[in-house]
Amino acid sequence: GENVEQHPSTLSVQEGDSAVIKCTYSDSASNYFPWYKQELGKRPQLIIDIRSNVGEKKDQRIAVTLNKTAKHFSLHITETQPEDSAVYFCAASSPNTGNQFYFGTGTSLTVIP
Amino acid sequence: DADVTQTPRNRITKTGKRIMLECSQTKGHDRMYWYRQDPGLGLRLIYYSFDVKDINKGEISDGYSVSRQAQAKFSLSLESAIPNQTALYFCATGRNQPQHFGDGTRLSIL
Repeated sequence: GENVEQHPSTLSVQEGDSAVIKCTYSDSASNYFPWYKQELGKRPQLIIDIRSNVGEKKDQRIAVTLNKTAKHFSLHITETQPEDSAVYFCAASSPNTGNQFYFGTGTSLTVIP
Repeated sequence: DADVTQTPRNRITKTGKRIMLECSQTKGHDRMYWYRQDPGLGLRLIYYSFDVKDINKGEISDGYSVSRQAQAKFSLSLESAIPNQTALYFCATGRNQPQHFGDGTRLSIL
């Protein structure tokens, strides 16, 4: 099946700085890449996603970029705020595996006021 | 988002017991999923269903079974619980992907 690796596992940034989280995937047929945010003790929430026919997508302070050749995609958060502190998960799905979602192991982001 | 409801929220039980976790949704989505979350391992798919007559094994289905009783209901069973099934379990629904998650069931097996 698909193998999704996520780095770093923990990330601390000063408020106002940018944060970048990277994921790599193994199945070149993967075509959908969502990102989820999970606050402490809460449910994961879909925050942004990108399909393989697009290289970049933005939504206010968050953006996702995709490099299909290198098989990696990244989440970018600009002007970070304390409420951005959470665990972020990337995922990938491929028609080769019945469009199952394979998640990364998560990045714990702490934004220091 | 109370559109995806999981019961119970917490459960402590003993090894060998049969346990059922229930999930119901009011989103009207055909697709439902059960995930397990362990520290440092992220979310792993146990089973998923694309409609009432469709059940598919996920990455870690051994030791689990599911039932899709209706479009809105998808239950997960542990036939004979073992301690390494202690985890946080999430149900999710979506039109094309797991978009809406429940609040989770924290399951402890002693």
